[in-house]
Amino acid sequence: DAGITQSPRHKVTETGTPVTLRCHQTENHRYMYWYRQDPGHGLRLIHYSYGVKDTDKGEVSDGYSVSRSKTEDFLLTLESATSSQTSVYFCAISATGPYEQYFGPGTRLTVT
Amino acid sequence: QKEVEQNSGPLSVPEGAIASLNCTYSDRGSQSFFWYRQYSGKSPELIMFIYSNGDKEDGRFTAQLNKASQYVSLLIRDSQPSDSATYLCAASLSGTYKYIFGTGTRLKVLA
Repeated sequence: DAGITQSPRHKVTETGTPVTLRCHQTENHRYMYWYRQDPGHGLRLIHYSYGVKDTDKGEVSDGYSVSRSKTEDFLLTLESATSSQTSVYFCAISATGPYEQYFGPGTRLTVT
Repeated sequence: QKEVEQNSGPLSVPEGAIASLNCTYSDRGSQSFFWYRQYSGKSPELIMFIYSNGDKEDGRFTAQLNKASQYVSLLIRDSQPSDSATYLCAASLSGTYKYIFGTGTRLKVLA
């Protein structure tokens, strides 16, 4: 299995609070991605990174920000969580784009 | 808006049969195509990838790509109950390092 961990694995938070999810990889892969998965929508890209400090938006980036200060870590921040951000969040990595992509175990986030 | 489309299913097949899963994509410039298996409550697991027209076989799995028809398929031979899962098709977006996913086909293999 690709060496990808996500933390926390589960989180319940209240509307309006900031939340940060962490993705950590031990594969030294250049590309890292954050997706959310919701019933009926499949996997949708939030943000991705193509190197340290290099990030770009995906199709559902509103309300989210990211940072990557080290190759191994990619952080996703919800500045002010809303109920519409209740979802399962997956991190993924790829050595070279756009080739094989491997997923982390996911974080289930509930915003009440 | 670029899309990857899959029939949501469920696709039910008897144990030992061939399961055929299909996917179409709209981005004619897509170069890389992937099949993921996702069990309920788990993360997607990469099972096949294909970059060239034709067939690619790996064990019980065969991926087929037809770029002219913008069509990707996955065949699972000798289907087992453990193959019951949702199968996600994905394609790279041309000129980017991004991917687009279909919503998945649920496969049920009946013992």
